[in-house]
Amino acid sequence: DTEVTQTPKHLVMGMTNKKSLKCEQHMGHRAMYWYKQKAKKPPELMFVYSYEKLSINESVPSRFSPECPNSSLLNLHLHALQPEDSALYLCASSQQGSTGELFFGEGSRLTVL
Amino acid sequence: SQQGEEDPQALSIQEGENATMNCSYKTSINNLQWYRQNSGRGLVHLILIRSNEREKHSGRLRVTLDTSKKSSSLLITASRAADTASYFCATPTSGSARQLTFGSGTQLTVLP
Repeated sequence: DTEVTQTPKHLVMGMTNKKSLKCEQHMGHRAMYWYKQKAKKPPELMFVYSYEKLSINESVPSRFSPECPNSSLLNLHLHALQPEDSALYLCASSQQGSTGELFFGEGSRLTVL
Repeated sequence: SQQGEEDPQALSIQEGENATMNCSYKTSINNLQWYRQNSGRGLVHLILIRSNEREKHSGRLRVTLDTSKKSSSLLITASRAADTASYFCATPTSGSARQLTFGSGTQLTVLP
């Protein structure tokens, strides 16, 4: 069982909606990540938070807005998305200063109509 | 851009056979990791091999790393239907251990 919890598991939204994806971990990890994965493709990094500060933004459009309220929580706020944003969104965490092993959640399957 | 490329893209074998997947990468690394993903689920870390290691075992998994050829292989022995999944190699990008880039993946199907 994964120790990274993502909600919701499935989300359907229109292009004018505002929604949020949530991620929670209680392993004491200080780095958290958002990845986007399209069907039959590898995960692509979107954002990295380190010690609750945004450290990497892989040129993600502003319609995706990450937030890290505390060391255990990571949100991804969605607004004015496009149908091509439909994908599996994966949250992950890792120990700061570790060799890089990532612990993934089960993902949130997003469909934009 | 992807750091790693894997082959084959898809592999279908009978239960009990061995499965071998290969990963090639482009830049110097300090470690290489393998992950497994069941359809529509999250990724699960399988094994990490450091740049000063040549081979590592974990249960039915055997990973090799050849830094001179910038390549790694994952061998699953005595495969089971439950091993059916996508397998990805992953390497730290630009020396940062906090950012992993995933290879293109191999879809393994184990037929009962």
